[in-house]
Amino acid sequence: AQKVTQAQTEISVVEKEDVTLDCVYETRDTTYYLFWYKQPPSGELVFLIRRNSFDEQNEISGRYSWNFQKSTSSFNFTITASQVVDSAVYFCALSEGDGGATNKLIFGTGTLLAVQP
Amino acid sequence: EPEVTQTPSHQVTQMGQEVILRCVPISNHLYFYWYRQILGQKVEFLVSFYNNEISEKSEIFDDQFSVERPDGSNFTLKIRSTKLEDSAMYFCASIPGLVNEQFFGPGTRLTVL
Repeated sequence: AQKVTQAQTEISVVEKEDVTLDCVYETRDTTYYLFWYKQPPSGELVFLIRRNSFDEQNEISGRYSWNFQKSTSSFNFTITASQVVDSAVYFCALSEGDGGATNKLIFGTGTLLAVQP
Repeated sequence: EPEVTQTPSHQVTQMGQEVILRCVPISNHLYFYWYRQILGQKVEFLVSFYNNEISEKSEIFDDQFSVERPDGSNFTLKIRSTKLEDSAMYFCASIPGLVNEQFFGPGTRLTVL
């Protein structure tokens, strides 16, 4: 069965600190996709990144970076030099990508990040 | 940039009433989804829709729920007889193909009194 675990329910940091949000997933499929979404206080879901299971290269986008490790079934997200605007709930999600799959997203329970000024 | 839109942004209804939540997916997208998020909890998959039929539904999506794509643009979620526990944010999403990220609408907050 598919499952996404975000063990950190809440993290509080002071501005300019680096912070890593953990995500561990379970799936029996060999082809799958991993995602991170941001949900600011306004409530919308903002897409941040998608990785497929065959691409373990880490990715950096500005202050954001992602570390995908199949060996530990983890897809962690690091924000460098955090800012108050980063305060949000961050969701990790998984979809299975076999042909014919519906591509539904299985979400983790989210991590609430509070960045204090 | 094209985006998924949802109306209304907030709907308040009495228990037992029918509600219809509306979504306009991005125009060239082929796969459509509804998700639900009870306040403070995770986002949960309800149903996926492709080629004018349901392709998958979750256990939450019981006989009280239905979806429809009545024309070329709208995608609706109907709850026939609302219960208190249906109070949640409902998100619509769409994708052009199965290997793409899902584009979410801003959500409809449903409050059942």
